[in-house]
Amino acid sequence: DADVTQTPRNRITKTGKRIMLECSQTKGHDRMYWYRQDPGLGLRLIYYSFDVKDINKGEISDGYSVSRQAQAKFSLSLESAIPNQTALYFCATSDPSSGRADEQFFGPGTRLTVL
Amino acid sequence: AQSVTQPDIHITVSEGASLELRCNYSYGATPYLFWYVQSPGQGLQLLLKYFSGDTLVQGIKGFEAEFKRSQSSFNLRKPSVHWSDAAEYFCAVGDGGYQKVTFGTGTKLQVIP
Repeated sequence: DADVTQTPRNRITKTGKRIMLECSQTKGHDRMYWYRQDPGLGLRLIYYSFDVKDINKGEISDGYSVSRQAQAKFSLSLESAIPNQTALYFCATSDPSSGRADEQFFGPGTRLTVL
Repeated sequence: AQSVTQPDIHITVSEGASLELRCNYSYGATPYLFWYVQSPGQGLQLLLKYFSGDTLVQGIKGFEAEFKRSQSSFNLRKPSVHWSDAAEYFCAVGDGGYQKVTFGTGTKLQVIP
């Protein structure tokens, strides 16, 4: 079984709809991240969480919100989706106690299309 | 602020040829450096990483990378490319535990027979 899972894998929605993307992990890592990937722009950090009570904005958080329901679950919401939020979204985890804190483990991605 | 530059957006190589993907970084202290690979429709998989020590690091799938502090580079190499290596490759720099990892814009590798 995959260590980091994302649901759904693909989603098509309409402008103005509320969308939630979910991420679950079985790695036991405290730290979780949401990125979006756009062609030619690489990965950009949306939000990150160091533990259940610690949530931080990344470089492109406008239009997004997150919820860390448990150590293993980190959800990303688009309150009112717009077409320029069409992208590939990745969840990732990391483990500072491993001594290799920066190494991140990625889920398979969610392809979101906003019409 | 840290940054990563991958100057080549697209590279095409023949199967069996050698490969070098370029990565330049900007960071004030000793960087944590990574190469990830993303196969079509897949997430990112770590190929290799450099934290300290030997500047030539070996990774999975026959890849290696060399950290050159004087050139602020961390280029990825493979002596003989296989068709299955066709993918997008991302270089990344981390800030040593504060969890700010910055990714480059990626290099898409095409392998021709």
